[in-house]
Amino acid sequence: GAVVSQHPSWVICKSGTSVKIECRSLDFQATTMFWYRQFPKQSLMLMATSNEGSKATYEQGVEKDKFLINHASLTLSTLTVTSAHPEDSSFYICSARGQGQGLYLGADTQYFGPGTRLTVL
Amino acid sequence: RKEVEQDPGPFNVPEGATVAFNCTYSNSASQSFFWYRQDCRKEPKLLMSVYSSGNEDGRFTAQLNRASQYISLLIRDSKLSDSATYLCVVPRGGGGGGNKLTFGTGTQLKVEL
Repeated sequence: GAVVSQHPSWVICKSGTSVKIECRSLDFQATTMFWYRQFPKQSLMLMATSNEGSKATYEQGVEKDKFLINHASLTLSTLTVTSAHPEDSSFYICSARGQGQGLYLGADTQYFGPGTRLTVL
Repeated sequence: RKEVEQDPGPFNVPEGATVAFNCTYSNSASQSFFWYRQDCRKEPKLLMSVYSSGNEDGRFTAQLNRASQYISLLIRDSKLSDSATYLCVVPRGGGGGGNKLTFGTGTQLKVEL
């Protein structure tokens, strides 16, 4: 249980284009989803927190107009990197926290998607 | 003190060895802690949760020292498949759930023949 999927798993795009990444909770309802970014040899850095049906809250230093987040349902959140540039190349990972029938999800436990590797040329 | 601090390693150990990692944290109000495992170019996967003094799961033991604000992860009888980066994770809030997580930079373990 507590499976989170991400799509696409990797993407290569030209500078200036926009890229949309989907994050889905497959067997539970994700009341909260998180988006992280990880550069090589660095730790995961939280970018934003999204709650279903409300606007995302962004961490300090993360441009909300560049990284658009939509959490339209209890099982889907999307991150759109607008006008991507080479410095946006990174490993983007979502995680989900919520409740599911038959599952115990500890209060702070987050389950991670497999990540999306973005390369901007 | 950093929010979460780990020795990056790498720790190179022979198969069968016992290895321990430490992690220090700055928020004295933190109630729960996590160890995640991350393989190269993969997502983190939850290894253990620690809510009280410690937790044990097979070859893995996590211990919490609140007075000194550190948690440790002990791996006994290391396997080649244990090679990975181990992330120490601490909720930002004072506890009670619903908190954002702060990740350490991870400790890299390499188990060799």
